[in-house]
Amino acid sequence: DAGVTQSPTHLIKTRGQHVTLRCSPISGHKSVSWYQQVLGQGPQFIFQYYEKEERGRGNFPDRFSARQFPNYSSELNVNALLLGDSALYLCASSLRTSTYGYTFGSGTRLTVV
Amino acid sequence: AQRVTQPEKLLSVFKGAPVELKCNYSYSGSPELFWYVQYSRQRLQLLLRHISRESIKGFTADLNKGETSFHLKKPFAQEEDSAMYYCALTPSGTYKYIFGTGTRLKVLA
Repeated sequence: DAGVTQSPTHLIKTRGQHVTLRCSPISGHKSVSWYQQVLGQGPQFIFQYYEKEERGRGNFPDRFSARQFPNYSSELNVNALLLGDSALYLCASSLRTSTYGYTFGSGTRLTVV
Repeated sequence: AQRVTQPEKLLSVFKGAPVELKCNYSYSGSPELFWYVQYSRQRLQLLLRHISRESIKGFTADLNKGETSFHLKKPFAQEEDSAMYYCALTPSGTYKYIFGTGTRLKVLA
């Protein structure tokens, strides 16, 4: 099993642009969550999807959106990028809810210039 | 407000010494608490969950509701324990983690 895979691994974008980050969960995992980790901080919750439905949303602006596909993979979209969006974006998957603990991917390092 | 506090950014101990990584939380309900670890150049991975009361790699953590703490302990530190440790809380009925800022543990030879 390849674990949770994220693409791309690194990305450089210009302010105002749009970005799409992708995540493939572990086979059989139906729950996917997205986190933003700024340098020196712990991960901050952005979204959680379970069975293709949004089950939770963190305190992020509407520029951030996500979706989960029938195969349980997921995309995180960020519009109108700001310098402050520069961070490591982590995807995590789980069989069900967070009680079981999540398996994290290696992340996508987004740099906005 | 729901919050997880890890007061130490860096903790250095000698090999063989006891380790205690502090975690305090602010939450009015019954929390689900976790410790995650990130070794150098590796992914964030689950170390242990309070509901399973397990011991992983010699680490244990006890939930103290009176002190709202979930400190991570190990009686004898090993060099391979050097890593970044994050405490996380899941408010009941939600699907999110609230992470602390993390503590970097350095075990010195």
